[in-house]
Amino acid sequence: GENVEQHPSTLSVQEGDSAVIKCTYSDSASNYFPWYKQELGKGPQLIIDIRSNVGEKKDQRIAVTLNKTAKHFSLHITETQPEDSAVYFCAATPPPGRRALTFGSGTRLQVQP
Amino acid sequence: GAVVSQHPSRVICKSGTSVKIECRSLDFQATTMFWYRQFPKQSLMLMATSNEGSKATYEQGVEKDKFLINHASLTLSTLTVTSAHPEDSSFYICSARDLGFGGGYGYTFGSGTRLTVV
Repeated sequence: GENVEQHPSTLSVQEGDSAVIKCTYSDSASNYFPWYKQELGKGPQLIIDIRSNVGEKKDQRIAVTLNKTAKHFSLHITETQPEDSAVYFCAATPPPGRRALTFGSGTRLQVQP
Repeated sequence: GAVVSQHPSRVICKSGTSVKIECRSLDFQATTMFWYRQFPKQSLMLMATSNEGSKATYEQGVEKDKFLINHASLTLSTLTVTSAHPEDSSFYICSARDLGFGGGYGYTFGSGTRLTVV
């Protein structure tokens, strides 16, 4: 089955700096890669996703890049704000659509004001 | 957008009793729902996949007789933790797929249930 590795496990940045979180996946058939933000005591919230037919996607301060050859994808957050502090999870899933997401181990991001 | 409602958000039960957690898709039909368990400072681990009208598929190491999953309708799936013990204390999260989401993905998560067994 799919295996997703995520780094770093913790990340501390100053407000206004950029943050980058990286993930690698094992199943070359995986074609959907979402990123979730989880705040304490809450369920994961989708922040951005990318499909295997594109290499990059951006939504305001958040961007995701995908390298299918190397089987890794990254989350980029620019101009970080204290409210970005949370745990971020990457995930991957191969088709068909009824299969569950496999999650990375999570990155605890702390944005220092 | 798609919304998944999960209840209760918190529950405390005595050891040996059973607890039911509900997961509802509010504005879409979810033919497939997933149940995850998350221990403190850890990732989400898939427990089982349920398809409406059929038996759930459990991940290796998950006791199907302990974690009963029912997916009797296209909008409701339930997880019952039977004979709960303190080691079952965890954060349980459901997820549903909106297959009408452009025919593509659209995994939506519930808000989670914090189960504490005393």
